[in-house]
Amino acid sequence: DGGITQSPKYLFRKEGQNVTLSCEQNLNHDAMYWYRQDPGQGLRLIYYSQIVNDFQKGDIAEGYSVSREKKESFPLTVTSAQKNPTAFYLCASSIGSNLYGYTFGSGTRLTVV
Amino acid sequence: KQEVTQIPAALSVPEGENLVLNCSFTDSAIYNLQWFRQDPGKGLTSLLLIQSSQREQTSGRLNASLDKSSGRSTLYIAASQPGDSATYLCAVSGAGSYQLTFGKGTKLSVIP
Repeated sequence: DGGITQSPKYLFRKEGQNVTLSCEQNLNHDAMYWYRQDPGQGLRLIYYSQIVNDFQKGDIAEGYSVSREKKESFPLTVTSAQKNPTAFYLCASSIGSNLYGYTFGSGTRLTVV
Repeated sequence: KQEVTQIPAALSVPEGENLVLNCSFTDSAIYNLQWFRQDPGKGLTSLLLIQSSQREQTSGRLNASLDKSSGRSTLYIAASQPGDSATYLCAVSGAGSYQLTFGKGTKLSVIP
């Protein structure tokens, strides 16, 4: 079955540490996205990529970095510069024109310890 | 900047009731609108996608309507069941943009 796989499901980060969240899709979608979800707030866009080797900042990109070396993969690194990283992170994908809407992964919950 | 509002923030109904969830958006120049369901601690599951040229979409007990000119969409759930309990999110995609703008969701509880 086609879909989006996010790993790990739970992740714990120590202060000053960088961590990387994995997102893989086998839907042959061109575009991929990272959203952050906090209680009481809507989903907020961190980064998105329309094609391989290209990505753009979303509304809250500070303290995050991404890469898109393969069509199937769009990992997100939460750097030590992100002061409040505890949140639920969701990866999504769509075909190039978003004609058929988004497909989301199951999410990664990141907690700072 | 597009803003999406969902009313009510929470809703509790007895099993078997028909119900309506509301979504409004400020910029009517949208490409499409998508309704999602989210269970606690889980990702988003797409329920219905309405293109800007469409007025409604149906899937089983769910019906979503779109009035682009007034910036409104409704999600109608018929004969609600306890398994429908979840948070329902509305999101719009702007013309020429791949990005989705989300509302904060409506948390639905269906009481047996």
